[in-house]
Amino acid sequence: DAKTTQPTSMDCAEGRAANLPCNHSTISGNEYVYWYRQIHSQGPQYIIHGLKNNETNEMASLIITEDRKSSTLILPHATLRDTAVYYCIVRLNSGYALNFGKGTSLLVTP
Amino acid sequence: GAVVSQHPSRVICKSGTSVKIECRSLDFQATTMFWYRQFPKKSLMLMATSNEGSKATYEQGVEKDKFLINHASLTLSTLTVTSAHPEDSSFYICSARKNGQGLNEKLFFGSGTQLSVL
Repeated sequence: DAKTTQPTSMDCAEGRAANLPCNHSTISGNEYVYWYRQIHSQGPQYIIHGLKNNETNEMASLIITEDRKSSTLILPHATLRDTAVYYCIVRLNSGYALNFGKGTSLLVTP
Repeated sequence: GAVVSQHPSRVICKSGTSVKIECRSLDFQATTMFWYRQFPKKSLMLMATSNEGSKATYEQGVEKDKFLINHASLTLSTLTVTSAHPEDSSFYICSARKNGQGLNEKLFFGSGTQLSVL
């Protein structure tokens, strides 16, 4: 699986959009971009994933650049409960485990 | 849907004893489950891949005789930490791959088990 690079930490004011970047410059054509988050002392929670088109669901939007070398997870209206570690993972959609990097620790402040 | 139940959520045991952690997929079948370990302020590290009806595949550096994995049904995998020592104290998390997902594949995670070995 391709490696990813994320900022170690970010802050966001409550109610504002949180934009979390991820660099995956070595991604191959059939690898997907996944985002999970982990709230303290809980198991990871799936957020969204995509291949090359932008994706949106009830939790977030995923913007993937045209060359697919980077992506941004957008939480449109961050709340205090969105404080968590966010993991960007690139993998083949083939039944293997997810390999977690260090992620971005997002702190949403009042 | 797609709930993974992990039990217990927290366990404290004495050094030298064994501890069993259960991971159940409540509303779907999972031929494949994964076990992770997470130390404080660190990321999740894959320990092993568990396949129903066959032997688990362990990651490099993970002792298969110490971390026994059994996946006897399509909804249950267990991890037994044998002869636990304080250095085994960690947060253990299971994950299940829902059968038949196809290209929109997601993995579903349990809520984790905090093991403390005294």
